[in-house]
Amino acid sequence: SQQGEEDPQALSIQEGENATMNCSYKTSINNLQWYRQNSGRGLVHLILIRSNEREKHSGRLRVTLDTSKKSSSLLITASRAADTASYFCATDGDSNYQLIWGAGTKLIIKP
Amino acid sequence: GAGVSQTPSNKVTEKGKYVELRCDPISGHTALYWYRQSLGQGPEFLIYFQGTGAADDSGLPNDRFFAVRPEGSVSTLKIQRTERGDSAVYLCASSPPGGERDTQYFGPGTRLTVL
Repeated sequence: SQQGEEDPQALSIQEGENATMNCSYKTSINNLQWYRQNSGRGLVHLILIRSNEREKHSGRLRVTLDTSKKSSSLLITASRAADTASYFCATDGDSNYQLIWGAGTKLIIKP
Repeated sequence: GAGVSQTPSNKVTEKGKYVELRCDPISGHTALYWYRQSLGQGPEFLIYFQGTGAADDSGLPNDRFFAVRPEGSVSTLKIQRTERGDSAVYLCASSPPGGERDTQYFGPGTRLTVL
């Protein structure tokens, strides 16, 4: 069963614009992670945010976490063509190892 | 350094056949995971190894699926009597011991097609 739901399912923006994706989950978590997947490189870990954190930055990425709403957002600033990929959130749920995934947001950056 | 590798990258087989999918984790990573991903979906957990033992195999869909990791490094996922519904990308991931164990490092996957 899938824990997370990403929103939107697909997003198409112009290069240079910001992209925001959202994730909602169902159970309590220890942490939430965002991964990127494209056909060339498989799943790549982007960022991990722990349940006691509210915001985290890594380069052009900004992640927020609202545990009261069981939701997270991923913001990619100044998008580039290379950001075209599917983005997944994954939570650990009741486990500290088993990741439970949403269906992903497909992001297309138009040049 | 070398990442997680999986072989073969593609496997086409006929319904009813037996297949083995191999995963070489990152050296030193004690934890190893198998996931299955269908088109348009996120990965679905299958099994987790800590060292040589399967710590959690609750995600294996039925007894046709089995995985081993005899020496605590390379793992093989085995599927007997394959069915068309087994067609998917099978992903392997590993993670290190200690404080970074939350992050999983994925291989490129094996695309299995059952005709």
